[in-house]
Amino acid sequence: NAGVTQTPKFQVLKTGQSMTLQCAQDMNHEYMSWYRQDPGMGLRLIHYSVGAGITDQGEVPNGYNVSRSTTEDFPLRLLSAAPSQTSVYFCAATSQGEPEAFFGQGTRLTVV
Amino acid sequence: AQSVTQLDSHVSVSEGTPVLLRCNYSSSYSPSLFWYVQHPNKGLQLLLKYTSAATLVKGINGFEAEFKKSETSFHLTKPSAHMSDAAEYFCVVTPISGGYNKLIFGAGTRLAVHP
Repeated sequence: NAGVTQTPKFQVLKTGQSMTLQCAQDMNHEYMSWYRQDPGMGLRLIHYSVGAGITDQGEVPNGYNVSRSTTEDFPLRLLSAAPSQTSVYFCAATSQGEPEAFFGQGTRLTVV
Repeated sequence: AQSVTQLDSHVSVSEGTPVLLRCNYSSSYSPSLFWYVQHPNKGLQLLLKYTSAATLVKGINGFEAEFKKSETSFHLTKPSAHMSDAAEYFCVVTPISGGYNKLIFGAGTRLAVHP
């Protein structure tokens, strides 16, 4: 029973590099979201999706792209990494009508 | 607009003494409220949730919270702290309508438990 799986767990990037953070869920939940966690700021919503083919921006979307081609996968793309994107990233899956969000274990990203 | 304020960034208690973590919220809609816990270098785990049913909500590991609409508060309590309770705690709000995919987090309260 994997739940929500994020890869990689750790990543170091140079400024200007691109990469994709992977998120997969096996619970068949409609909604998926990406958050970033920074000290003293809790988690902030980057992008979210209410179903395959549908995405929308959250509170801090700049510098990130997402797509949702299947129910299971919701990758987060950094096109040109910046030091301000150094953070811990969490993916979450929720189901309409069920309030508990299930989180992945997080990806710790450092941009140098 | 919705927001969450956790009134204490750090709380320190002795093992066996009560825990109180304070949370106030602001919401234009009927809210759902949650407490999540994050142990060091771990993901987030749901402690308890309020979704317009009973105002006193019991969660895992002996934690409970009371929804007080008149005070716009959702404080987390536990009668007797255990060393394993040391972690960061997040109060979270989301509107009941529109699904639960847009969570608004408080800044977090780091709980330290001393022997």
